[in-house]
Amino acid sequence: GDSVTQMEGPVTLSEEAFLTINCTYTATGYPSLFWYVQYPGEGLQLLLKATKADDKGSNKGFEATYRKETTSFHLEKGSVQVSDSAVYFCALTDNNNDMRFGAGTRLTVKP
Amino acid sequence: SAVISQKPSRDICQRGTSLTIQCQVDSQVTMMFWYRQQPGQSLTLIATANQGSEATYESGFVIDKFPISRPNLTFSTLTVSNMSPEDSSIYLCSVKQSYEQYFGPGTRLTVT
Repeated sequence: GDSVTQMEGPVTLSEEAFLTINCTYTATGYPSLFWYVQYPGEGLQLLLKATKADDKGSNKGFEATYRKETTSFHLEKGSVQVSDSAVYFCALTDNNNDMRFGAGTRLTVKP
Repeated sequence: SAVISQKPSRDICQRGTSLTIQCQVDSQVTMMFWYRQQPGQSLTLIATANQGSEATYESGFVIDKFPISRPNLTFSTLTVSNMSPEDSSIYLCSVKQSYEQYFGPGTRLTVT
């Protein structure tokens, strides 16, 4: 079935460093791809999404591009802040079924 | 977008007891899901609960342990039965609407 493989981490960066969290997927159809963020003690929030190949999702300085040729949806941010410390989940859905999540990547940004 | 509320937000329960978690959505939705997030882990789908049909359980989850009700298009309950410490998790309700999936704030369950 459909699945997501995500760089597990944990990832520790200094403030203003460049962030990449890798995510690749396996799907039989044409899924929609998502990044969710979970801040400490809080629920899951949608960070960004892309619904078709070559789409770029962006939000709060984060970006991810839906790459069908490499089946990837890597999350990037040019300059992280301490407030970005959270767990990030890559996910997919084929629009007819439930959402499948990666293992999550814990990001810690140090001042 | 759909706004989801869950009750209770957290609970501490004794081994062998049961807890029913309620999920309320502010709009009518067909597809509703229950997930579990064990400490430090990702989300795992427990079951899909569509109104008008029996819930469909994922591998490793059974109705006797996690009975689900879906009486209408805005409400569902998940019961965690005969609890053990291994059931300590966050339980999340989720709905699909217009090709997007929304999540409730979760119920943090601790079993002692």
